[in-house]
Amino acid sequence: GIQVEQSPPDLILQEGANSTLRCNFSDSVNNLQWFHQNPWGQLINLFYIPSGTKQNGRLSATTVATERYSLLYISSSQTTDSGVYFCAVGVGGTSYGKLTFGQGTILTVHP
Amino acid sequence: GAGVSQSPSNKVTEKGKDVELRCDPISGHTALYWYRQRLGQGLEFLIYFQGNSAPDKSGLPSDRFSAERTGESVSTLTIQRTQQEDSAVYLCASSSPRGRLPIYGYTFGSGTRLTVV
Repeated sequence: GIQVEQSPPDLILQEGANSTLRCNFSDSVNNLQWFHQNPWGQLINLFYIPSGTKQNGRLSATTVATERYSLLYISSSQTTDSGVYFCAVGVGGTSYGKLTFGQGTILTVHP
Repeated sequence: GAGVSQSPSNKVTEKGKDVELRCDPISGHTALYWYRQRLGQGLEFLIYFQGNSAPDKSGLPSDRFSAERTGESVSTLTIQRTQQEDSAVYLCASSSPRGRLPIYGYTFGSGTRLTVV
Protein backbone atom coordinates (compact mmCIF):
# COMPACT_ATOMS: atom_id res chain seq x y z
CA GLY A 1 0.00 0.00 0.00
CA ILE A 2 0.89 3.65 -0.16
CA GLN A 3 3.43 4.98 2.34
CA VAL A 4 3.08 8.38 4.02
CA GLU A 5 6.01 9.98 5.81
CA GLN A 6 5.75 13.17 7.82
CA SER A 7 8.57 15.36 9.05
CA PRO A 8 9.68 16.50 11.49
CA PRO A 9 8.20 14.08 14.05
CA ASP A 10 8.39 16.73 16.76
CA LEU A 11 8.56 20.50 16.64
CA ILE A 12 8.84 23.02 19.47
CA LEU A 13 8.24 26.71 18.79
CA GLN A 14 7.96 29.98 20.62
CA GLU A 15 4.71 31.82 20.10
CA GLY A 16 4.92 34.00 17.01
CA ALA A 17 7.32 31.77 15.10
CA ASN A 18 6.62 30.29 11.65
CA SER A 19 6.93 26.62 10.72
CA THR A 20 6.70 24.24 7.78
CA LEU A 21 5.52 20.64 8.07
CA ARG A 22 6.19 18.18 5.27
CA CYS A 23 4.34 15.12 3.98
CA ASN A 24 5.91 12.75 1.44
CA PHE A 25 3.90 9.97 -0.18
CA SER A 26 4.98 7.01 -2.26
CA ASP A 27 2.37 6.89 -5.04
CA SER A 28 -0.02 9.05 -7.04
CA VAL A 29 -2.94 10.29 -5.00
CA ASN A 30 -6.31 11.83 -5.77
CA ASN A 31 -7.09 12.85 -2.23
CA LEU A 32 -4.88 14.58 0.33
CA GLN A 33 -6.04 16.11 3.58
CA TRP A 34 -4.34 17.80 6.52
CA PHE A 35 -5.78 17.42 10.02
CA HIS A 36 -5.05 18.92 13.40
CA GLN A 37 -5.66 16.76 16.47
CA ASN A 38 -5.97 18.98 19.53
CA PRO A 39 -4.78 17.94 23.01
CA TRP A 40 -8.29 16.64 23.76
CA GLY A 41 -8.16 14.25 20.81
CA GLN A 42 -10.56 16.00 18.43
CA LEU A 43 -9.51 15.81 14.78
CA ILE A 44 -10.22 18.91 12.71
CA ASN A 45 -9.96 18.97 8.95
CA LEU A 46 -7.66 21.82 7.90
CA PHE A 47 -7.39 21.36 4.15
CA TYR A 48 -8.54 19.12 1.34
CA ILE A 49 -5.68 19.67 -1.09
CA PRO A 50 -4.86 16.94 -3.64
CA SER A 51 -3.01 19.59 -5.66
CA GLY A 52 -2.31 23.30 -5.69
CA THR A 53 -2.22 25.85 -2.89
CA LYS A 54 -4.82 26.96 -0.37
CA GLN A 55 -4.81 29.43 2.48
CA ASN A 56 -6.99 29.76 5.54
CA GLY A 57 -5.95 32.55 7.88
CA ARG A 58 -2.51 31.82 9.33
CA LEU A 59 -2.43 28.38 7.73
CA SER A 60 -1.64 27.53 4.15
CA ALA A 61 -0.88 24.32 2.30
CA THR A 62 0.73 23.38 -0.98
CA THR A 63 0.66 20.00 -2.68
CA VAL A 64 2.98 19.20 -5.59
CA ALA A 65 1.35 15.99 -6.75
CA THR A 66 3.89 15.27 -9.50
CA GLU A 67 6.69 15.28 -6.92
CA ARG A 68 4.61 13.47 -4.28
CA TYR A 69 4.80 15.89 -1.40
CA SER A 70 2.69 18.39 0.48
CA LEU A 71 3.65 21.22 2.82
CA LEU A 72 1.67 22.81 5.62
CA TYR A 73 2.74 26.31 6.66
CA ILE A 74 1.86 27.79 10.02
CA SER A 75 2.61 31.47 10.45
CA SER A 76 2.68 33.52 13.65
CA SER A 77 2.08 30.38 15.72
CA GLN A 78 -0.13 30.50 18.81
CA THR A 79 -0.32 28.19 21.81
CA THR A 80 -3.67 26.93 20.50
CA ASP A 81 -1.84 25.54 17.46
CA SER A 82 -0.30 22.88 19.70
CA GLY A 83 -1.29 19.30 18.97
CA VAL A 84 -0.61 16.69 16.33
CA TYR A 85 -0.78 17.45 12.62
CA PHE A 86 -1.63 14.55 10.34
CA CYS A 87 -1.33 14.26 6.61
CA ALA A 88 -3.61 11.65 5.00
CA VAL A 89 -3.77 10.49 1.39
CA GLY A 90 -6.16 8.51 -0.77
CA VAL A 91 -5.61 6.68 -4.04
CA GLY A 92 -9.21 6.15 -5.13
CA GLY A 93 -10.47 3.12 -6.97
CA THR A 94 -13.02 0.99 -5.11
CA SER A 95 -12.04 2.67 -1.85
CA TYR A 96 -12.62 6.20 -2.99
CA GLY A 97 -12.37 8.37 0.08
CA LYS A 98 -10.36 5.92 2.19
CA LEU A 99 -7.34 7.69 3.63
CA THR A 100 -3.96 6.42 4.74
CA PHE A 101 -2.55 8.54 7.58
CA GLY A 102 1.02 9.46 8.33
CA GLN A 103 2.38 9.17 11.85
CA GLY A 104 1.96 12.87 12.49
CA THR A 105 4.03 15.85 13.59
CA ILE A 106 3.72 16.78 17.26
CA LEU A 107 3.77 20.57 17.55
CA THR A 108 4.28 22.35 20.87
CA VAL A 109 4.00 26.13 20.97
CA HIS A 110 5.29 27.81 24.11
CA PRO A 111 4.02 31.24 25.24
CA GLY B 1 -27.02 16.58 12.75
CA ALA B 2 -24.51 19.38 12.78
CA GLY B 3 -21.56 17.10 13.38
CA VAL B 4 -20.57 13.45 13.60
CA SER B 5 -21.79 11.99 16.87
CA GLN B 6 -20.25 8.92 18.50
CA SER B 7 -21.41 6.99 21.53
CA PRO B 8 -20.45 6.05 24.09
CA SER B 9 -17.58 8.48 24.57
CA ASN B 10 -15.87 6.05 26.94
CA LYS B 11 -16.30 2.32 27.41
CA VAL B 12 -14.55 0.05 29.88
CA THR B 13 -15.22 -3.62 29.34
CA GLU B 14 -13.93 -6.93 30.61
CA LYS B 15 -11.86 -9.13 28.37
CA GLY B 16 -14.08 -11.54 26.49
CA LYS B 17 -17.18 -9.33 26.46
CA ASP B 18 -18.77 -7.95 23.30
CA VAL B 19 -19.04 -4.19 22.71
CA GLU B 20 -21.02 -2.09 20.27
CA LEU B 21 -19.92 1.38 19.20
CA ARG B 22 -22.24 3.79 17.45
CA CYS B 23 -21.70 6.53 14.89
CA ASP B 24 -24.23 9.10 13.64
CA PRO B 25 -22.83 10.82 10.52
CA ILE B 26 -23.62 14.28 9.26
CA SER B 27 -27.01 14.29 7.56
CA GLY B 28 -26.58 13.88 3.81
CA HIS B 29 -23.09 12.41 4.02
CA THR B 30 -23.19 9.15 2.11
CA ALA B 31 -19.67 7.99 2.95
CA LEU B 32 -18.75 6.79 6.44
CA TYR B 33 -15.41 5.53 7.76
CA TRP B 34 -14.19 3.81 10.89
CA TYR B 35 -10.61 4.25 12.09
CA ARG B 36 -8.72 3.10 15.16
CA GLN B 37 -6.05 5.09 16.98
CA ARG B 38 -3.87 3.40 19.54
CA LEU B 39 -2.16 5.56 22.16
CA GLY B 40 0.48 7.77 20.59
CA GLN B 41 -0.08 6.32 17.14
CA GLY B 42 -1.55 7.41 13.83
CA LEU B 43 -4.93 6.31 12.54
CA GLU B 44 -5.55 2.81 11.18
CA PHE B 45 -8.31 2.35 8.61
CA LEU B 46 -10.91 -0.26 9.54
CA ILE B 47 -13.86 -0.07 7.12
CA TYR B 48 -15.53 2.25 4.61
CA PHE B 49 -19.25 2.49 3.82
CA GLN B 50 -20.79 4.07 0.75
CA GLY B 51 -24.47 4.18 1.62
CA ASN B 52 -25.14 0.89 3.40
CA SER B 53 -22.67 -1.15 1.40
CA ALA B 54 -19.07 -1.67 2.47
CA PRO B 55 -16.76 -1.67 -0.58
CA ASP B 56 -13.68 -1.91 1.61
CA LYS B 57 -13.45 -3.96 4.80
CA SER B 58 -9.74 -4.58 4.40
CA GLY B 59 -8.75 -2.91 7.66
CA LEU B 60 -10.85 -5.03 10.02
CA PRO B 61 -8.20 -6.77 12.17
CA SER B 62 -10.00 -10.08 12.63
CA ASP B 63 -13.35 -11.80 12.33
CA ARG B 64 -14.16 -10.55 15.83
CA PHE B 65 -14.76 -7.13 14.24
CA SER B 66 -17.86 -6.37 12.20
CA ALA B 67 -19.76 -3.26 11.17
CA GLU B 68 -23.06 -2.40 9.62
CA ARG B 69 -24.85 0.70 8.48
CA THR B 70 -28.53 1.49 8.09
CA GLY B 71 -29.08 3.28 4.80
CA GLU B 72 -27.11 6.50 4.81
CA SER B 73 -27.51 6.87 8.56
CA VAL B 74 -26.23 5.27 11.73
CA SER B 75 -23.38 2.78 11.74
CA THR B 76 -22.40 0.35 14.48
CA LEU B 77 -19.01 -1.26 14.96
CA THR B 78 -19.17 -4.48 16.97
CA ILE B 79 -16.18 -6.14 18.60
CA GLN B 80 -16.81 -9.65 19.89
CA ARG B 81 -14.81 -11.37 22.62
CA THR B 82 -12.75 -8.25 23.27
CA GLN B 83 -9.02 -8.56 23.91
CA GLN B 84 -6.66 -6.14 25.63
CA GLU B 85 -5.05 -5.25 22.31
CA ASP B 86 -8.44 -3.87 21.19
CA SER B 87 -7.97 -0.97 23.63
CA ALA B 88 -7.85 2.20 21.54
CA VAL B 89 -9.87 5.21 20.46
CA TYR B 90 -12.32 4.28 17.72
CA LEU B 91 -13.02 7.21 15.41
CA CYS B 92 -15.79 7.62 12.90
CA ALA B 93 -15.78 10.11 10.03
CA SER B 94 -18.22 11.00 7.30
CA SER B 95 -17.95 12.82 4.00
CA SER B 96 -19.91 13.31 0.83
CA PRO B 97 -18.94 12.04 -2.60
CA ARG B 98 -16.84 14.26 -4.81
CA GLY B 99 -18.98 16.71 -6.61
CA ARG B 100 -21.72 16.80 -3.99
CA LEU B 101 -20.06 19.57 -2.03
CA PRO B 102 -17.38 22.11 -2.87
CA ILE B 103 -14.95 20.54 -0.43
CA TYR B 104 -14.49 16.80 -0.17
CA GLY B 105 -13.12 16.50 3.33
CA TYR B 106 -13.68 14.27 6.29
CA THR B 107 -15.49 15.36 9.42
CA PHE B 108 -14.52 13.26 12.42
CA GLY B 109 -16.49 12.49 15.52
CA SER B 110 -14.96 12.79 18.98
CA GLY B 111 -14.35 9.07 19.19
CA THR B 112 -15.06 6.25 21.62
CA ARG B 113 -12.24 5.43 24.02
CA LEU B 114 -12.36 1.67 24.59
CA THR B 115 -10.47 0.13 27.48
CA VAL B 116 -10.42 -3.66 27.82
CA VAL B 117 -9.44 -4.82 31.31
